[in-house]
Order: sequence, then structure tokens, then C-alpha cells
Amino acid sequence: GAVVSQHPSRVICKSGTSVKIECRSLDFQATTMFWYRQFPKQSLMLMATSNEGSKATYEQGVEKDKFLINHASLTLSTLTVTSAHPEDSSFYICSARDASGEQYFGPGTRLTVT
Amino acid sequence: RKEVEQDPGPFNVPEGATVAFNCTYSNSASQSFFWYRQDCRKEPKLLMSVYSSGNEDGRFTAQLNRASQYISLLIRDSKLSDSATYLCVVNKKGRRALTFGSGTRLQVQP
Repeated sequence: GAVVSQHPSRVICKSGTSVKIECRSLDFQATTMFWYRQFPKQSLMLMATSNEGSKATYEQGVEKDKFLINHASLTLSTLTVTSAHPEDSSFYICSARDASGEQYFGPGTRLTVT
Repeated sequence: RKEVEQDPGPFNVPEGATVAFNCTYSNSASQSFFWYRQDCRKEPKLLMSVYSSGNEDGRFTAQLNRASQYISLLIRDSKLSDSATYLCVVNKKGRRALTFGSGTRLQVQP
């Protein structure tokens, strides 16, 4: 099946710093990628839909100035958590949608803000 | 009310047991339904799609009742390797992103 990678898999940063997470579709082109967040023992919550070459669409309650999304190519979307705080500590998962509409998930990035 | 509701469990069952999970969804415009499996600290992986006619894949059977907005997953002859969290997932018409339930945790014991 299709492969989606995320980098880094785990990151620890200090409060106030920014962290960039990359999501790549390795063997297919993805015009649409999604960014989800999962807190412990909770469901995946959609943060934003990332569209290649255009602005991301954010879900209600997600600050677009805090979570910057760039989808510069058909195989790469990045999420930057700006001025991270401990409450941003979470499991961030991206998914990429292929031409048939099937979604493939990345392995996730575990962010810990100290 | 959550869009997708599941019993969080955990369901603790012995090997070989049959176990059933249920899920309800609130949006009648939902058009695609799935069960995903998520292992601890890993990404969710598609287990199977769910169709109105019901579908089976080996030991796994999924059912959809659109009138009741209810989805089920039956696992027969449970294996230790089935231990995971099972996520009920719905896709609403006109929306590309998926909506996840919070998952039901299964622990199969020897």
C-alpha cells in the first residue's frame, strides 16, 4: 500500500520555541493532506486540511497563526507549531489522500513541550 | 453530543472468544464507514470498510444499520495479536476528512 512518512517521529522542545513537522507521501501524489491531533485516550481530532498550492482550511477552534501549514508540493506538507506550550504536547498525525480518495496515515509525531 | 460514539472499554476477553463492538454516529449525511485499528503510540490502520449489506474479512465481520445510525464489528476466535484500540470512523458527504470515534480498547488474554 501507499506509504506516508512523518519527521521527526518524536520531539522534545522548550516552551516558547517553534517545531516543524513534515509529512511526505512517498509513492503517490497527494493534493490533499490532513493534520490530526490526538491527546491521550482521546480520538483523533482534525486540525486542518492542507491543499497543495493554496491555504489550509482550519477546523473551528484551531488557531491558524499558531499552527502554520504549508503544502508546497504534491508530496510534502509541513505543520509548524509556533511558540509551543506544554498544552500543545500531543500526538500529531498526518494523512494523505490519493487520487482514488483513499487516505493513508503517517506514523505520527509525538511532541512534548517542557 | 459526539459525532461518533463508542464504548471505551476496555474489553478483556480470553483467547478464542468472540467479541462485538458497537458504534453510533449522529450525522445522517454520513456516507462512508470504516473500522480502524490503532496500536499503542502508533498511527491508525484501516481494518475494513463497512457496507450496508454487511461484510466479512476472515474473523472480522462489520455491519451497518443506516436507519439506526449504528455500526458494529464482530471479532471471532480472538487472538492475542488482536489486542488494540478499535476506532469507528465516519466520512460525511462532501467532506474529505474522516471523523473518528474515541475508540474501544480490546485486551485479549492468554
